[in-house]
This record gives sequence, structure tokens and C-alpha cells, in this order.
Amino acid sequence: KAGVTQTPRYLIKTRGQQVTLSCSPISGHRSVSWYQQTPGQGLQFLFEYFSETQRNKGNFPGRFSGRQFSNSRSEMNVSTLELGDSALYLCASSSGTVPADTQYFGPGTRLTVL
Amino acid sequence: AQSVTQLDSQVPVFEEAPVELRCNYSSSVSVYLFWYVQYPNQGLQLLLKYLSGSTLVESINGFEAEFNKSQTSFHLRKPSVHISDTAEYFCAVSANSGYSTLTFGKGTMLLVSP
Repeated sequence: KAGVTQTPRYLIKTRGQQVTLSCSPISGHRSVSWYQQTPGQGLQFLFEYFSETQRNKGNFPGRFSGRQFSNSRSEMNVSTLELGDSALYLCASSSGTVPADTQYFGPGTRLTVL
Repeated sequence: AQSVTQLDSQVPVFEEAPVELRCNYSSSVSVYLFWYVQYPNQGLQLLLKYLSGSTLVESINGFEAEFNKSQTSFHLRKPSVHISDTAEYFCAVSANSGYSTLTFGKGTMLLVSP
């Protein structure tokens, strides 16, 4: 089985712009979760989508949004970028039907905001 | 809500020496516990997890962790490390109800030298 893929792998944006990141889960997985990883804050949960519905949400401002398509692929969008949004954004997929099911992580998208 | 404390940000050891990476958690409800590993420029991979039953869990590559409910700890150990074990290790918890999200510690960098 192919693993979780994320595109693009690297992005450079300037303050005020918006960005869209994409995540393709493992085939058959219906849950996609997004995390932000920074040196200062570590790994922080953004949101989880299951069958096109947001099932869980972390404590991030409304500039961070996401969606999931019928094929389980997910996108996250960050509007009005700030310098502090520079981070590695990881997505993880799982079946979503079994509590504590293993989450499989993608390699991440490295976002740099200048 | 849950929180995770990884007491050491870096642990340097020599090859073939034993190692323990410490993890303590706080939660008002029962939890599942996880250890993930992140190699440079890669996403996270599940190392092992505790759901219920035996408090000692093992991974296929020689790591083990023991759940201690009274001390709210889930320390990771390996009796003899290899150079290839050099990576960042993250402890995580999730509430054991429904489809709860992962809360991660800030990570411990294991540096194995010859």
C-alpha cells in the first residue's frame, strides 16, 4: 500500500498571503488529521476529518480551515499568513472506525512565511 | 483535557548502552498511550502503544514501555541502542472514549554516538 502523501513538500509564502496544503491518505482510510509542528510549541492538533465531516478541532484561529473530499483526500487552508505560521504541517490517516487506531503520518509540508 | 511531559529534550548515549526516555501524563479520564519516532525529514511512525491489558508493551525493534498508572508514566526503554536509533521520540496520549485526538509531548532527541 502506498503511504500518506503530502503536497507540496516545501512552500515559501509572504505575510498576508494564503496557502493550501494537500494530503492523500492511505487507500481505504477515511480519517485525516492535521498537525502543526514547530520547535517552540511541538506538535499541535489542528483538526480531524472523517467521511467529509470535521469530527474534532484543535485550538487554532479561524484562519486555519480544512476540508475533505469524497475520496478522503484532504486539504487545509491558511489565510492571511503570519510569520508564526512557519512550521512543518503533518497529516495523518487512519481507518477512523476503531478508537486509538494507528495513525500513519505523511512526510509533511514545510511552510516558510517571510 | 490531557497533557504530556517529556522531561528530557535531549538524551545522548553511546552505542550499545541502555536508554530510558521519560514520559509523564496528566488526564482526568483514562487514556491510551503511544510512542512515536521521527527520523530526520520524515513524518512520525508509531513505535508502540498501550490500550489495555499487560502494562508492558514491546515494539518489533527492541523498544519497550511500561504503563504505570499510579505514577502516570509511560517511560520508553531499550537495553542496547544502535546508531540507527538516533531520532526524535514523541510520547502521546488520547482519551479512551470515542475517537479522541492525540496530545503529544514536546519530544526527546535521542543521540547515539559510537
